[in-house]
Amino acid sequence: EDQVTQSPEALRLQEGESSSLNCSYTVSGLRGLFWYRQDPGKGPEFLFTLYSAGEEKEKERLKATLTKKESFLHITAPKPEDSATYLCAVQLNQAGTALIFGKGTTLSVSS
Amino acid sequence: ETGVTQTPRHLVMGMTNKKSLKCEQHLGHNAMYWYKQSAKKPLELMFVYNFKEQTENNSVPSRFSPECPNSSHLFLHLHTLQPEDSALYLCASSQPNREGNIQYFGAGTRLSVL
Repeated sequence: EDQVTQSPEALRLQEGESSSLNCSYTVSGLRGLFWYRQDPGKGPEFLFTLYSAGEEKEKERLKATLTKKESFLHITAPKPEDSATYLCAVQLNQAGTALIFGKGTTLSVSS
Repeated sequence: ETGVTQTPRHLVMGMTNKKSLKCEQHLGHNAMYWYKQSAKKPLELMFVYNFKEQTENNSVPSRFSPECPNSSHLFLHLHTLQPEDSALYLCASSQPNREGNIQYFGAGTRLSVL
């Protein structure tokens, strides 16, 4: 069964304390992996797409990486405004346009 | 105009009511989606429309009835819902291409069924 697992479920950091979020996947064929950010009361906001192992993308304090089994979202020197739930999703080769989402990691950054 | 707009933002309904959720996208995309988001669960895909045609129905109960009159508008008609249907309902749109399928989401409708 195709599956996406995110860990940890929740993460509390001090401002400036760097860390990583994990997204592991077990799928029959990966076409792309997506990271989204979701703030309370809002819809998910697109961050990155990764397509092949070894690929990396960066945006401000965030960097996403991809291997054949998992993806990491590295957060460098986080600020309180980085607090949100981060969602990982995969698109399968065979599934047309559908995305399979993980449960998300809720990040809290305190000053 | 924001990319994907959902109305209403909040909805409270009784189990015998009939209501509709509306989604409009201003991105020129060809695909639109309905998702259900419940606490502690992953986003659950409900329906997919490509060029106004329904291409996926993820075993959704018949009390949820989608409608896509054109590529910019998507509705979700609700009737005789159950309390467990209370959730955040998200609409998304995308323009699938060779590189993948980046979906852009609306802010959602928070539904409470009493």
